[in-house]
Amino acid sequence: GENVEQHPSTLSVQEGDSAVIKCTYSDSASNYFPWYKQELGKRPQLIIDIRSNVGEKKDQRIAVTLNKTAKHFSLHITETQPEDSAVYFCAASRTGGFKTIFGAGTRLFVKA
Amino acid sequence: SQTIHQWPATLVQPVGSPLSLECTVEGTSNPNLYWYRQAAGRGLQLLFYSVGIGQISSEVPQNLSASRPQDRQFILSSKKLLLSDSGFYLCAWRPGLQETQYFGPGTRLLVL
Repeated sequence: GENVEQHPSTLSVQEGDSAVIKCTYSDSASNYFPWYKQELGKRPQLIIDIRSNVGEKKDQRIAVTLNKTAKHFSLHITETQPEDSAVYFCAASRTGGFKTIFGAGTRLFVKA
Repeated sequence: SQTIHQWPATLVQPVGSPLSLECTVEGTSNPNLYWYRQAAGRGLQLLFYSVGIGQISSEVPQNLSASRPQDRQFILSSKKLLLSDSGFYLCAWRPGLQETQYFGPGTRLLVL
C-alpha cells in the first residue's frame, strides 16, 4: 500500500542553524505534499505544501523541495529559533484520492 | 471561513465504559471527514474516513466505530473502552475537491 517514510525521527540543532527533514513516498501517483507542524498538546497545522508541478517552494525561513524521479521531498528550516521546536509531519496525497498518507514525524529540538 | 469543532476537549473514562466523540465542520459542504488517533509521542493513525453522509471507511479493525449522520457531523464511538484506547483523537476535514487537510483541536482521552 501507500507509504511515506520520514527521517530523522529526532533532530536537535543549535539556534540559528539549519534543519532538514527528508521524506520518501511510494505512490508514484502522489502529486500533493503538505508539511504539518505540531506543537506540544496542539493539533497539527499546515505550514507549507508543494505540488508535483513545482520543484521548490519557499516561505520566509521555510522551504520545501521535491524530486519526483526519486520520490523524495524535504523540508528545510533556516535560522532556526526555539519556537521552531515541535513535531513535523510530511504527507502525500493524490488528486482524486481520499486519504492523506503521513510520515511518522520528526521531533525537532532547537537549543538556545 | 471554515471552522472545525471537537468536543469534549478532555475526557477521562473507566475501562469498559462507552465513548462518543463529536466533530462538526462549519462553512463548507460535502467535506471529506477523518478520525485519527495519536498515542503519546507517536504518529497519526487513520481510524476512519467518510466521503459523504452514511459512508464510512474503516482503516483499522478495533472496538471503535464511526458515523456520519449529517453532512458536517462526524462521530466516533465505542461500546466498551480499553486501556489501549487512550490517546489524542483528532478529527480532520478536507474540501471535497481539494487535497489540503485541516485538523480539529482534538480530544484527549484517558482510559483508566
